[in-house]
Amino acid sequence: EDQVTQSPEALRLQEGESSSLNCSYTVSGLRGLFWYRQDPGKGPEFLFTLYSAGEEKEKERLKATLTKKESFLHITAPKPEDSATYLCAVSYNNAGNMLTFGGGTRLMVKP
Amino acid sequence: NAGVTQTPKFRVLKTGQSMTLLCAQDMNHEYMYWYRQDPGMGLRLIHYSVGEGTTAKGEVPDGYNVSRLKKQNFLLGLESAAPSQTSVYFCASSYGIHKTQYFGPGTRLLVL
Repeated sequence: EDQVTQSPEALRLQEGESSSLNCSYTVSGLRGLFWYRQDPGKGPEFLFTLYSAGEEKEKERLKATLTKKESFLHITAPKPEDSATYLCAVSYNNAGNMLTFGGGTRLMVKP
Repeated sequence: NAGVTQTPKFRVLKTGQSMTLLCAQDMNHEYMYWYRQDPGMGLRLIHYSVGEGTTAKGEVPDGYNVSRLKKQNFLLGLESAAPSQTSVYFCASSYGIHKTQYFGPGTRLLVL
């Protein structure tokens, strides 16, 4: 079964404490992996798109990486404003126009 | 450049009432999507469109209809609302298949 699983479900960090969020997928024919940030009451905000294993993208304190089975979102020296739910989604050959989303990781960064 | 906008932001309906949610995008994207987001269920695709005048069913299409009369607009209709349609609805658009989807701010719908 095609699946996208994110872990952990929730993560509490102290300000400045670096960590990583995981997105593992079991789909064949990956065409793209997408990371989004979602704040309460708002729509998902695009962060990164990764298309092939080995690809990495960075933006401020965030860095996304991709392997053939999983993606990591590394957060370096997080700040309280990084608190949000982080969603990953995949697009793959048999899914047509659908994105398959993981359940999300709720990140809380305490000052 | 507003990106993807949705109206209304919030709506309360009684069971059996109808309504239309409007999505507009100013990025000249060909593809547009309607999702619903429910606790514990994540984001699920309702309907999508690959261009003006086209629509197709997604994962959870029952109880909804859509229309794409203009490239920049995508309408989601509920003909006879049910409490199970209480949800947050998001519209998204993309340049093409397997490309990044950009989301709107959402419409919170409560059906009593």
